[in-house]
Amino acid sequence: DADVTQTPRNRITKTGKRIMLECSQTKGHDRMYWYRQDPGLGLRLIYYSFDVKDINKGEISDGYSVSRQAQAKFSLSLESAIPNQTALYFCATSDGTTDTDTQYFGPGTRLTVL
Amino acid sequence: GQNIDQPTEMTATEGAIVQINCTYQTSGFNGLFWYQQHAGEAPTFLSYNVLDGLEEKGRFSSFLSRSKGYSYLLLKELQMKDSASYLCAVLDSNYQLIWGAGTKLIIKP
Repeated sequence: DADVTQTPRNRITKTGKRIMLECSQTKGHDRMYWYRQDPGLGLRLIYYSFDVKDINKGEISDGYSVSRQAQAKFSLSLESAIPNQTALYFCATSDGTTDTDTQYFGPGTRLTVL
Repeated sequence: GQNIDQPTEMTATEGAIVQINCTYQTSGFNGLFWYQQHAGEAPTFLSYNVLDGLEEKGRFSSFLSRSKGYSYLLLKELQMKDSASYLCAVLDSNYQLIWGAGTKLIIKP
């Protein structure tokens, strides 16, 4: 089984709809991240959480919110989706206990907002 | 501002060697990562450098020069499965990962 899973894998929605993307991990990592990836651009950090009670805004948090329900679960919500939020969304985790703090990624969710 | 530059696309021949360069300007430096990403898939970790020099891992090697703000990823004995995007990322002074846009590597037979 995959260590980091994301649901749904693909989603098409309409402008103004509320959308939730979910991420679960079995790696036992404390740190979790949400990124979006657009063609020709690098991964951009939306939100991150270093433990269940810690939530931090990333580079592009406007229009998004998150919930850390448990160590293993981190959800990303789009309260009112707009077309420029069409992108590939990745969840990632890291253990935060090593110098490298390597991030491990889920398979991604491809979101299309019409 | 923070900036990471990589070539957009490179082409190489199966069995050959290719070097993918990355230059960076960031607020602080706590390490540089290389990730591989096949089309439509998740990035996967390849290497990490925090000290100057070359780190070798099988067919892949990564080099860092902190004074020059420069790194490269060297891929030897190229295989068709190496066709992918290669992402350079720097951990800045706030321990945030700053990502380059990636280099798409095309391998030809």
